[in-house]
Amino acid sequence: GEEVAQTPKHLVRGEGQKAKLYCAPIKGHSYVFWYQQVLKNEFKFLISFQNENVFDETGMPKERFSAKCLPNSPCSLEIQATKLEDSAVYFCASSPWTGGEQYFGPGTRLTVT
Amino acid sequence: SQQGEEDPQALSIQEGENATMNCSYKTSINNLQWYRQNSGRGLVHLILIRSNEREKHSGRLRVTLDTSKKSSSLLITASRAADTASYFCATDNNDMRFGAGTRLTVKP
Repeated sequence: GEEVAQTPKHLVRGEGQKAKLYCAPIKGHSYVFWYQQVLKNEFKFLISFQNENVFDETGMPKERFSAKCLPNSPCSLEIQATKLEDSAVYFCASSPWTGGEQYFGPGTRLTVT
Repeated sequence: SQQGEEDPQALSIQEGENATMNCSYKTSINNLQWYRQNSGRGLVHLILIRSNEREKHSGRLRVTLDTSKKSSSLLITASRAADTASYFCATDNNDMRFGAGTRLTVKP
């Protein structure tokens, strides 16, 4: 597609439940990025992929967070056993090359209650 | 990887005035980019300036880059209420990192 698509738009989870977010990058873009934005503050980088391979995961919390980009499937970001502080908007972006312009999706707002 | 750091954190001006935002970074870069965010939406790319460029224009936007000072500025001329948004810079060093942004409010 011509836009980065993210689903769902909103997600509400009770503390301790699992949350799974999806991202369909723009067709032809090799790089996918996940960011977390809490309360309209800075974008915290989580992880990036080059096709289905992890490119940089230095921002990923080691526990509870995982992500995949499998061929012919939307990329996914999964949070096991969510905590209140995971409440944030999660943005996905794609780019044809690393270090270039990133195209952002509309975000998924995760609320953990 | 490195982050851009914007200042000021917040800026409030009247419509028609110019707005200047600054960004500093720490190590060498290939390019620096400015993005805009409206109301919690995703970032929209505004302009990219390469490390061998000193100035770039796009409509009412003017970006400068001083690699010796490791800083960049974004100037929005003749601001409009619709320019109200948060503005972020991002630098690349194999990957992109964003700062906390400058929140610009343009009062009609």
